[in-house]
Amino acid sequence: QVQLVQSGAEVKKPGASVKVSCKASGYTFTAYYMHWVRQAPGQGLEWMGWINPNSGGTNFAPKFQGRVTMTRDTSITTVYMELSRLKSDDTAVYYCARTYYDILTGHDYWGQGTLVTVSS
Amino acid sequence: DIQLTQSPSFLSASVGDRVTITCRASQGISNYLAWYQQKPGKAPKLLIYGATTLQSGVPSRFSGSGSGTEFTLTISSLQPEDFATYYCQQLNSYPPEISLTFGGGTKVEIK
Repeated sequence: QVQLVQSGAEVKKPGASVKVSCKASGYTFTAYYMHWVRQAPGQGLEWMGWINPNSGGTNFAPKFQGRVTMTRDTSITTVYMELSRLKSDDTAVYYCARTYYDILTGHDYWGQGTLVTVSS
Repeated sequence: DIQLTQSPSFLSASVGDRVTITCRASQGISNYLAWYQQKPGKAPKLLIYGATTLQSGVPSRFSGSGSGTEFTLTISSLQPEDFATYYCQQLNSYPPEISLTFGGGTKVEIK
């Protein structure tokens, strides 16, 4: 069965970086894009970007360009999202979620979420 | 970026009610729209994609309609497990559009 398992909660200071992992299993890793979506406490969903695990190509929402990096390790079917220069309003639950390569069928599987807390 | 506006942001309904949620796009997105359901403390769940296609395993009381700039999610007979927050998301990633934005959400609560 398809599973996306994310790394555990993180507490970071302002200005630091955080790297969250998402291990995929149960499907062909390179056939699906992986996206990152975040949700601040009590707020809505915010799409951050995607990575193509086959090529390593990425696409980021303008808000996060220059501050986010997405990478993958195909040998262990894991994708990573690193967010730098953290601010307090980056405090959120971060989700990985896959789509088929054409994106048009939506995010059919999601990770369990990783809480990132940014506090001095 | 394409903006999505959901309405209402909050609605109170009873079990058995027919519920309709609207999502308006700031420009035409054909049928590149998905709907999700999210319960507290859980990841979102895909309900509908392509504006009208029901995701496998989703009950048939959920339906989607619309194209272009106006879309609706309808729950034909609200069940206790349907009380949740619903989000639309535009899936048009063709250049120059690159952001798969979400609507602001609609919280459905028990009357």
